[in-house]
Amino acid sequence: DQQVKQNSPSLSVQEGRISILNCDYTNSMFDYFLWYKKYPAEGPTFLISISSIKDKNEDGRFTVFLNKSAKHLSLHIVPSQPGDSAVYFCAAYSGAGSYQLTFGKGTKLSVIP
Amino acid sequence: NAGVMQNPRHLVRRRGQEARLRCSPMKGHSHVYWYRQLPEEGLKFMVYLQKENIIDESGMPKERFSAEFPKEGPSILRIQQVVRGDSAAYFCASSPPSRGLPQETQYFGPGTRLLVL
Repeated sequence: DQQVKQNSPSLSVQEGRISILNCDYTNSMFDYFLWYKKYPAEGPTFLISISSIKDKNEDGRFTVFLNKSAKHLSLHIVPSQPGDSAVYFCAAYSGAGSYQLTFGKGTKLSVIP
Repeated sequence: NAGVMQNPRHLVRRRGQEARLRCSPMKGHSHVYWYRQLPEEGLKFMVYLQKENIIDESGMPKERFSAEFPKEGPSILRIQQVVRGDSAAYFCASSPPSRGLPQETQYFGPGTRLLVL
């Protein structure tokens, strides 16, 4: 049972435009969310996180939005750059002190020059 | 400031052999986690260790798999009598000792790609 779902396996965006990556979750106990970026043959790299007490967190070109009632979060990248081309994973923790990250299957972003 | 180190990066084993995967956490980190990624899948939690202690191994198969994080040296994930289904990427992550924050970010190594022939 997939508790974290990334329903778009891939996404193509023109350089300079906005990339929006979506993530849905089913477990109401999830309260802290992270986005990781992964290049081929490398490990996931932490990008940005958000606690369930917030609805937005911004770091440079990256913004994560959380809609708790819809159990939905999204990652916005503005402006998109060719170096952003990678697989993006949404991950979640459930409850204070938890340490098991539950990952989605990832979305492959291609930024076209 | 070196990140999480894993070796080997690639490992080929024949069915029935043993695989040993090593992970050195980031400096100052005392918590280690192992995850497995099958093709076209997300990462799946296997085990969480602190120095000399296994805290949670609920994600690890009951047979053939074991993990340790000794007082000195790297964490080791050991797979005995490997089968083709063990072929996957194995990622190690580390985090610092808890500072009372709700959750600590986990920082990942480059992974070991295991291929069982």
